Amino acid sequence: EDQVTQSPEALRLQEGESSSLNCSYTVSGLRGLFWYRQDPGKGPEFLFTLYSAGEEKEKERLKATLTKKESFLHITAPKPEDSATYLCAVAGGGGADGLTFGKGTHLIIQP
Amino acid sequence: GAGVSQSPSNKVTEKGKDVELRCDPISGHTALYWYRQSLGQGLEFLIYFQGNSAPDKSGLPSDRFSAERTGGSVSTLTIQRTQQEDSAVYLCASSYVAGGQNEQFFGPGTRLTVL
Repeated sequence: EDQVTQSPEALRLQEGESSSLNCSYTVSGLRGLFWYRQDPGKGPEFLFTLYSAGEEKEKERLKATLTKKESFLHITAPKPEDSATYLCAVAGGGGADGLTFGKGTHLIIQP
Repeated sequence: GAGVSQSPSNKVTEKGKDVELRCDPISGHTALYWYRQSLGQGLEFLIYFQGNSAPDKSGLPSDRFSAERTGGSVSTLTIQRTQQEDSAVYLCASSYVAGGQNEQFFGPGTRLTVL
């Protein structure tokens, strides 16, 4: 059974204070690891897909990296508008196409 | 272009009643997924459709849950004899083609409250 664990559950940063969110996963044959952003009352918004260890992707102040056991979402010099819940999900090799999600990291950036 | 749309945005019902939730996927997307997000829990996969193929129902929590997809586009999730534990946000997603490696795009969700 695929499993995803995200840490920390919540993180409060000052504007401009860089940090990283962790996503540890257990999966039988990783087909893809996904990062989403979710704002209150809205559906998840797609950010990145990573397919193999060593891969990195960037978008504005966000950078996602992948190893064989975990992924990191690095946030550089965050702004208050980066406040959201960040979700990590995996697509495993078990045949089902539904994603397995972690419970998310609730990020608050204080001005 | 238009994203995934869902209706209603909110639904309040009484225990024991049936409810129907609707999802319109992104035009041209062949795969459609339903998830449930309960308070304090991660998103939970429910069911998946690919084109006109038989759906993957492996995530449905009980036989009170069913879904159909008409004409390879719009989908309806039906919950019969609703229970209080069914209260959650129900999210629909679509992707261009099937295959777990393809990104899924989510709608805004339907918040279901069972009294």
